[in-house]
Amino acid sequence: NAGVTQTPKFHILKIGQSMTLQCTQDMNHNYMYWYRQDPGMGLKLIYYSVGAGITDKGEVPNGYNVSRSTTEDFPLRLELAAPSQTSVYFCASRPGTSGGYNEQFFGPGTRLTVL
Amino acid sequence: KQEVTQIPAALSVPEGENLVLNCSFTDSAIYNLQWFRQDPGKGLTSLLLIQSSQREQTSGRLNASLDKSSGRSTLYIAASQPGDSATYLCAVRNTGFQKLVFGTGTRLLVSP
Repeated sequence: NAGVTQTPKFHILKIGQSMTLQCTQDMNHNYMYWYRQDPGMGLKLIYYSVGAGITDKGEVPNGYNVSRSTTEDFPLRLELAAPSQTSVYFCASRPGTSGGYNEQFFGPGTRLTVL
Repeated sequence: KQEVTQIPAALSVPEGENLVLNCSFTDSAIYNLQWFRQDPGKGLTSLLLIQSSQREQTSGRLNASLDKSSGRSTLYIAASQPGDSATYLCAVRNTGFQKLVFGTGTRLLVSP
């Protein structure tokens, strides 16, 4: 298994532009998450999904959108990028089975700079 | 609102020492607690997950304990090695919630 993969690894965006960060997992996990990590801060949840077709907001959803049309993919869309969205973005997934182990597995991250 | 604190923010030790990293949380109604390792410029690697009903988990040289009533978890690293140098993050999931609440991490440097 490749686990959780994210593309691109790095990107520079101009203010006002839009882009989509891609996230794919091949573990057949039900739950998927998008977090952002700012320097010196803990990770904060942007959006999450409990299964295909179902998404919900996290702590910091403003300026972002998500969709979940398949179990494997959970893209994050940035509309009208702002400098405050400069961050490292992590995608994560977990099985979602009740009880037992429920680890979250993380992708390698996308480092985004908005200038 | 759940808040997670990790002390110290940074730690530097010589190789071979046993060490303890601390994590405290304000709301004891947790579902589980997870310890991660993050290398510079990399993603997070899960080290140990403790369910709320468990007191500790072990993996190799790592041992994590959980005391829900006092809102604390510790990560014990035995016989530290330079390869253990990384940032260690603690994260808590509350019962009934999806998100993990992260601490800001402890940056560990193990010198040869």
